[in-house]
Amino acid sequence: QKEVEQDPGPLSVPEGAIVSLNCTYSNSAFQYFMWYRQYSRKGPELLMYTYSSGNKEDGRFTAQVDKSSKYISLFIRDSQPSDSATYLCAMSVPAAGNKLTFGGGTRVLVKP
Amino acid sequence: NAGVTQTPKFQVLKTGQSMTLQCAQDMNHNSMYWYRQDPGMGLRLIYYSASEGTTDKGEVPNGYNVSRLNKREFSLRLESAAPSQTSVYFCASSGSDRVTAYNSPLHFGNGTRLTVT
Repeated sequence: QKEVEQDPGPLSVPEGAIVSLNCTYSNSAFQYFMWYRQYSRKGPELLMYTYSSGNKEDGRFTAQVDKSSKYISLFIRDSQPSDSATYLCAMSVPAAGNKLTFGGGTRVLVKP
Repeated sequence: NAGVTQTPKFQVLKTGQSMTLQCAQDMNHNSMYWYRQDPGMGLRLIYYSASEGTTDKGEVPNGYNVSRLNKREFSLRLESAAPSQTSVYFCASSGSDRVTAYNSPLHFGNGTRLTVT
């Protein structure tokens, strides 16, 4: 079983809808949680970064961490066609530093 | 702003051939990483260099070697390519190998797509 599980999708939504993405993990030592966005044929780029539990909001994006359930979420409000991409969750334990453990990614398609 | 530059963008090798993937960053970052991305597997760490002069194995190092040539450059070598090494390879860099409560994100290049036949 993988340490980080993520539904591969694709997740297809109409423009303007809320996109809901999530990852589950098994290692309770994970403390740092990130979401990366990857456009086709490009490298991943950091979207959101949270430490330990709680919520973080940045514009249309909200990241949530529930350590008791070992579950993290990313919500995209008012989705746009430009949000069509693959979204990767990533996690790290403090001792591992920036050596991240990634989920497999969820492909999102926002239709105009 | 070049960021992280990887060469080549595409490569086809025959089984047993060797090649070196090049990576350079212009952000004065201390740490550099090599990941491979396979469908449904996410990114898996091959090797990393926490700082100039040091390298360490990641999750999937077998069949690969690395060289941290200087602070800017970190190369990945396949000595005898195998079909199982068909993948997209990403180089990344960060200011520090330590993740803190502040932001220390990985900056990725756009990848090298390698096919081994």
